[in-house]
Amino acid sequence: NAGVTQTPKFQVLKTGQSMTLQCAQDMNHNSMYWYRQDPGMGLRLIYYSASEGTTDKGEVPNGYNVSRLNKREFSLRLESAAPSQTSVYFCASSDSLTGTGELFFGEGSRLTVL
Amino acid sequence: AQSVTQLGSHVSVSEGALVLLRCNYSSSVPPYLFWYVQYPNQGLQLLLKYTSAATLVKGINGFEAEFKKSETSFHLTKPSAHMSDAAEYFCAVSDVYKLVFGAGTILRVKS
Repeated sequence: NAGVTQTPKFQVLKTGQSMTLQCAQDMNHNSMYWYRQDPGMGLRLIYYSASEGTTDKGEVPNGYNVSRLNKREFSLRLESAAPSQTSVYFCASSDSLTGTGELFFGEGSRLTVL
Repeated sequence: AQSVTQLGSHVSVSEGALVLLRCNYSSSVPPYLFWYVQYPNQGLQLLLKYTSAATLVKGINGFEAEFKKSETSFHLTKPSAHMSDAAEYFCAVSDVYKLVFGAGTILRVKS
């Protein structure tokens, strides 16, 4: 049982390049999330999808776009990467539609923007 | 919007000593509160969750947390620290459709 799988695990980009972080879950969860983690700032929500077919902005959405491709997959796209987007990105999923359930996290994707 | 504040970005204890990690929440409605743990180079995993069924919540690995409405606190404790407890701990509160996390507390356990 893989749980939440993120790819790639590591990526180095140059300023202005674009890339997509992929996330897939095999737990039949309704809700999926993208967070970024920076030292001393905890996890900040970028975008979330409360159910298939819906996406909403979180706390720090600028510079990112998302796609809920189907119930299993939720991708995060950086159209024009900036050094401020250097971070560790976590995808998570939950069977709760209201944000009150346990989140299951992937192992993270470490992104460096030069 | 809901928020949590974790007091102390770093906590250091000796092996066998009490662990106390502090969390205060701000919520306009009865909250769902969580503690998560993150080991190096891993994702977060749930330690325990408060859902108003009981004020003292027991979690995995001997951790527990007490919900105190009068103090708006949800502090995490463990009677006796083990070296394997060294990790970063996050308090979180449920908001509409999502969780809001605190800044985290890194726990160091000295031998």
